[in-house]
Amino acid sequence: GQQVMQIPQYQHVQEGEDFTTYCNSSTTLSNIQWYKQRPGGHPVFLIQLVKSGEVKKQKRLTFQFGEAKKNSSLHITATQTTDVGTYFCAGPRGATNKLIFGTGTLLAVQP
Amino acid sequence: NAGVTQTPKFQVLKTGQSMTLQCAQDMNHNSMYWYRQDPGMGLRLIYYSASEGTTDKGEVPNGYNVSRLNKREFSLRLESAAPSQTSVYFCATSSRENTEAFFGQGTRLTVV
Repeated sequence: GQQVMQIPQYQHVQEGEDFTTYCNSSTTLSNIQWYKQRPGGHPVFLIQLVKSGEVKKQKRLTFQFGEAKKNSSLHITATQTTDVGTYFCAGPRGATNKLIFGTGTLLAVQP
Repeated sequence: NAGVTQTPKFQVLKTGQSMTLQCAQDMNHNSMYWYRQDPGMGLRLIYYSASEGTTDKGEVPNGYNVSRLNKREFSLRLESAAPSQTSVYFCATSSRENTEAFFGQGTRLTVV
């Protein structure tokens, strides 16, 4: 089964509300990456976190890597319609460090 | 500079037909990936290639074969297509393990 789970699967917010998606791995990750996929598009890299407990910000987006390096979160403050899309976390797995993606969270923003 | 190019963009196959999805990159990256995307399932790794001449199974390799004949190209072959292989297929590359992945535009495949 899927080794990297994300919740929620879908979130609908009013423009201006905050949004958070959570990523949980069954095993420890050496790093976690986050991607955004606009409707009809392809995934685009947002950020990579490497250190335990690391927090990074990109304007209204805040990314966290858990202390145990098994979970991560993406928080968007004051959502805008441009934030619409599916957000994926991804991490390297196995001996060859294959990049495995989470199940994704689809964000809908109502103006 | 095209980045990652996938062909074709759309394809309809009949059950049992075969086809090859092509992926080419001009980024001089070592690692290449094939993913499939289905509603509610996220992106699932089919096959991975860490370098020219090497391939490794991903999460859902059954029914697929791959070929990495050179650094630029990584092809995905369906020998006998099944309706369960209806999906959007993405090729991706990264310079090495654990680094940012760059995706192609995707191939929307329907098997009837």
